[in-house]
Formats: sequence, structure tokens, C-alpha cells
Amino acid sequence: AQTIHQWPVAEIKAVGSPLSLGCTIKGKSSPNLYWYWQATGGTLQQLFYSITVGQVESVVQLNLSASRPKDDQFILSTEKLLLSHSGFYLCAWGGQQAPLFGEGTRLSVL
Amino acid sequence: QQKVQQSPESLIVPEGGMASLNCTSSDRNVDYFWWYRQHSGKSPKMLMSIFSNGEKEEGRFTVHLNKASLHTSLHIRDSQPSDSALYLCAGRYQGGRALIFGTGTTVSVSP
Repeated sequence: AQTIHQWPVAEIKAVGSPLSLGCTIKGKSSPNLYWYWQATGGTLQQLFYSITVGQVESVVQLNLSASRPKDDQFILSTEKLLLSHSGFYLCAWGGQQAPLFGEGTRLSVL
Repeated sequence: QQKVQQSPESLIVPEGGMASLNCTSSDRNVDYFWWYRQHSGKSPKMLMSIFSNGEKEEGRFTVHLNKASLHTSLHIRDSQPSDSALYLCAGRYQGGRALIFGTGTTVSVSP
């Protein structure tokens, strides 16, 4: 069975500080991977999409970047956090099958 | 413009009652639809999927799809307090390049 592990579970960061969130997928080779952001009580906004190592497509510009250094790993980062970055970050894999989400990282920017 | 729209925005259902949720895509590049349920503070979990015209039933949940109108609906019968959650409709866009979620319907089941 496929599993997705996200880290960290939660972060409290200062405005202007850097951020790195990670996601590892097990049990699936060459998965399509996605990063989503969700404001409290809101819908899921897709941020990035990757079909293979080294290839990442940006969907919206939120002063964030993503990388796929390994087939089973997806990283979300920024050098300078904004207050608007607060929210729930979710990694997912999908394609033909129903997208499967990790447990998410809750980020509070103060 | 939101490519996937959901209605109603929120719904209060008595325990044991029926909840009906709607989802429509405004873009014909959306092909597959999935319904997700997200409990407060948790990640979304896939509830139902439908790819062909018609109806599909799994336990208390029934989903309908009309591909011509790109409309899908989810019906929950015999609603339970544990069904209280945010329900999200997702459409697969351009063969999986994007998975677009609707704005969601918040369902509250009152005991």
C-alpha cells in the first residue's frame, strides 16, 4: 500500500525566516506529486505539480518554491516567510487513481 | 474563475436525515471527479469516485455523475454525527496535471 509521510507535523515560524517542508512517498514508483495549501476552513489550492525527478511545475505564485530531488521525495521551501503563508500544507500523489494525501503540516507564521 | 463549484456552502442535517451536495465543473478539461471528506484538523480522505455516467452506491453514500453537464452530486442517507465535516469535490484537469478542488460544503449533523 502507498503511504505518504510529511514532516514536520507543525511549525511556528517568524516572518522573514526560511522554511522547508518535506514529503516522502512509499510503495509507488514515479508518482505524480502535488503540493496544496489550505487556509483555515477553506478549499485546497494547488501550488506545484511534479511528474518526475527534477521537474516541477508551478501552478500559483505565492513566493514559494518546490523541488523533487528524488523519485519519492518532494520539498516545499521559501527563503522568506510572509504572514500569508500560514495555513495547512498538504502533499499528495495521484494520476489515474484518487489522489492520496499525507497528514499535512500546519504552519503558523507570526 | 473557480473551475469547480460546489453548493450549498453549508448544510445542517438532522441525525438520520439525508444530505445532498452538488458539484459542477465549468471546464471541459476536467474529466474525473472524486469526493473527499475532511474532518476538522485532518487531511482529506477520499470518500467516493465516479468516472462514468450514472449512479454508484457504497453503504450510506450515493454519487451521481452527468458527464454532459459535468455535474456530480453526493447523497448521504441516515446521516450520523461523525459525518459532520467539510466535503470537497475534486476534478482531474488536463490528464492529472492539476487536481482542482471546489470550495467545499460544510455538513453539520445535529443529534
